[in-house]
Amino acid sequence: ELKVEQNPLFLSMQEGKNYTIYCNYSTTSDRLYWYRQDPGKSLESLFVLLSNGAVKQEGRLMASLDTKARLSTLHITAAVHDLSATYFCAAFYNQGGKLIFGQGTELSVKP
Amino acid sequence: EPEVTQTPSHQVTQMGQEVILRCVPISNHLYFYWYRQILGQKVEFLVSFYNNEISEKSEIFDDQFSVERPDGSNFTLKIRSTKLEDSAMYFCASRAGKYGYTFGSGTRLTVV
Repeated sequence: ELKVEQNPLFLSMQEGKNYTIYCNYSTTSDRLYWYRQDPGKSLESLFVLLSNGAVKQEGRLMASLDTKARLSTLHITAAVHDLSATYFCAAFYNQGGKLIFGQGTELSVKP
Repeated sequence: EPEVTQTPSHQVTQMGQEVILRCVPISNHLYFYWYRQILGQKVEFLVSFYNNEISEKSEIFDDQFSVERPDGSNFTLKIRSTKLEDSAMYFCASRAGKYGYTFGSGTRLTVV
């Protein structure tokens, strides 16, 4: 069974600093998703990573995928307060197509 | 951009009552899903639906739950007799094929 682990679960950052969220998954998966969730809101799609070595960037966020290590990272550059949210990674389970989510990383960016 | 639409956005119900959560997936999508998120926790898979039948269900999806696609556009989740622990955000999602996995805005269910 596919399992997805994120770390850290809580991250308090100062504005302007860089940090990385890690997402490990336990078995082969065709693609890896990153979502942002604000409190009480839905899941906002950030990135979908489809192949080994894939790297995608949007603003201050950059996601990468290493399928051999079964690891995806979400790198935050020069954090700003607006990035405060919970970030989830989710691996696509090839049999059946469901997404298996990590526990989420609650990011708080302080001035 | 096409959206997955869920109604209602918030529903409060008495314990033991039946609730139906509604979803309109993207029109050319073939695979449909329900997920649940208890407050402060991760998103959990409930059920997948393809070709007018359930293709997979999780342990959470017991006999109290059912899904239907009554008219070819709507996709519903019914909880027959709600319990306090059913209080959660319920997300519908759909996908066309290999790419794209679109989530709805969610229904917050509160059982009192």
